[in-house]
Amino acid sequence: EVQLVESGGGLVQPGGSLRLSCTASGFTFSDFWMHWVRQVPGKSPVWVARIQDDDKSTNYADFVRGRFLISRDNTRNTLYLQMNSLTAEDTAVYYCARDFYYVVDYWGQGVQVTVSS
Amino acid sequence: QSVLTQPPSVSAAPGQKVTISCSGSSSNIGDHYVAWYRQVPGTAPKLLIYDNNKRPSGIPDRFSGSKSYTSGTLAITGLQTGDEADYYCASWDRGLSAALFGGGTKLTVL
Repeated sequence: EVQLVESGGGLVQPGGSLRLSCTASGFTFSDFWMHWVRQVPGKSPVWVARIQDDDKSTNYADFVRGRFLISRDNTRNTLYLQMNSLTAEDTAVYYCARDFYYVVDYWGQGVQVTVSS
Repeated sequence: QSVLTQPPSVSAAPGQKVTISCSGSSSNIGDHYVAWYRQVPGTAPKLLIYDNNKRPSGIPDRFSGSKSYTSGTLAITGLQTGDEADYYCASWDRGLSAALFGGGTKLTVL
């Protein structure tokens, strides 16, 4: 069974940083591109970033480029999202998700990130 | 405002059929596959349709998808009260090098 478990969320002040982690199991992690997607409750999901299976290529949404960094450790079956220069607009539930033909199939349960003073 | 446009809401009676549209452009739906997700509030989205019209294992054939040029459509037949949820389309945009989600459609089964 595919499982994706996010961690590392919480409350952070504007301008602060946070690193999210996502531990994968139930599939060969190193065979799949992976994504981060965020969602404000009541709004539609918004794609954040994706990373190639062998960590050689990444793509970012315009609104996070230069502030967020997606990375992975295939030896630990773990995906990361380093978030810097956070603003209130980054407040959302962040989901780790597995790539499936450029979109996603399996999603984690999500982790809340709240940016507030 | 989402690049992929969906109607905000649709409704139909139990047992009836409903369709949800997703309008995009030549750089996304016109160039790539459409996927559809179902989300119950408080839970993660679940994949219903991929590659325009394919169903993952476990998704009943009451759910079907289609694509024509720059638009995708999700059809749900034999509506059940349990189908009430938010439905989202998604595709990859070649120009943006980004995945896109639609604005979402709330399905009400009257």
